[in-house]
Amino acid sequence: AQTVTQSQPEMSVQEAETVTLSCTYDTSENNYYLFWYKQPPSRQMILVIRQEAYKQQNATENRFSVNFQKAAKSFSLKISDSQLGDTAMYFCAFMKLSGTYKYIFGTGTRLKVLA
Amino acid sequence: DVKVTQSSRYLVKRTGEKVFLECVQDMDHENMFWYRQDPGLGLRLIYFSYDVKMKEKGDIPEGYSVSREKKERFSLILESASTNQTSMYLCASSLVVGLAGGFTDTQYFGPGTRLTVL
Repeated sequence: AQTVTQSQPEMSVQEAETVTLSCTYDTSENNYYLFWYKQPPSRQMILVIRQEAYKQQNATENRFSVNFQKAAKSFSLKISDSQLGDTAMYFCAFMKLSGTYKYIFGTGTRLKVLA
Repeated sequence: DVKVTQSSRYLVKRTGEKVFLECVQDMDHENMFWYRQDPGLGLRLIYFSYDVKMKEKGDIPEGYSVSREKKERFSLILESASTNQTSMYLCASSLVVGLAGGFTDTQYFGPGTRLTVL
C-alpha cells in the first residue's frame, strides 16, 4: 500500500526567507506523479507544483521548486523569497498510474510566514 | 479557470438526519471526488466517480453514499448523520489528460463544507 508522510505539522519562516517542507512516500510503483497542494486559510486548495516520477529534472514554478529523490522516496518543496500570501496548509500527494485509481494525501504542514 | 462549487460553506445538522452535500463543476471533467479533511489526518477519500452513474468506494465509504446523475454534479449523502461525521468535506474534480508516456491528474477543489452534527 502507498503512504505519504509529512513529518512537520507546523513550520514558520520570516518573510523573504527560504523554507523547505518535507515529504516522504512509500510505494512499489515505478510510474507515478507527486504533487504539492496549498490550502490558504478559508480558501480553496490549489495545485502548487507537480512532478512526474519518470522525469529526473526537478520541477520548478516561479518561487516554488521541488527536490525529488526517487531512490530515497523523498519529495520536498522549497519556497524561496517567502511571502505573507504563502501562509497556508501544504499537502503532499501521490498518484499512481497503474491499476486502480489511487490518489493519496499526506497529513499536511501548516506554514506561517512572519512579517 | 475551473470552478468547483459546493452548496454550503457551513452546515449544522442533528444526529440521525439525512444530509445532502452538493458539488458542481463547470469544466466537463470526467472525475469527481469527495474527501473529508480532519486535523492530523489530512484528506481521506470517501468516494469518487469517473463517469455519470459510475462510482467507486474510497478509503472511508462507511456511512456515506453518492450520486452522479449528471456529469457536472456529484452529491454526497449521509443517510443518518452521526457526530463522528462532523468534519470538513471537500469536493474535487479532475480531467485525466494523456501526456507522452503517462497521464496527469491535477485535482481542482471546491471551497469545502464544514459540517457539524449535533
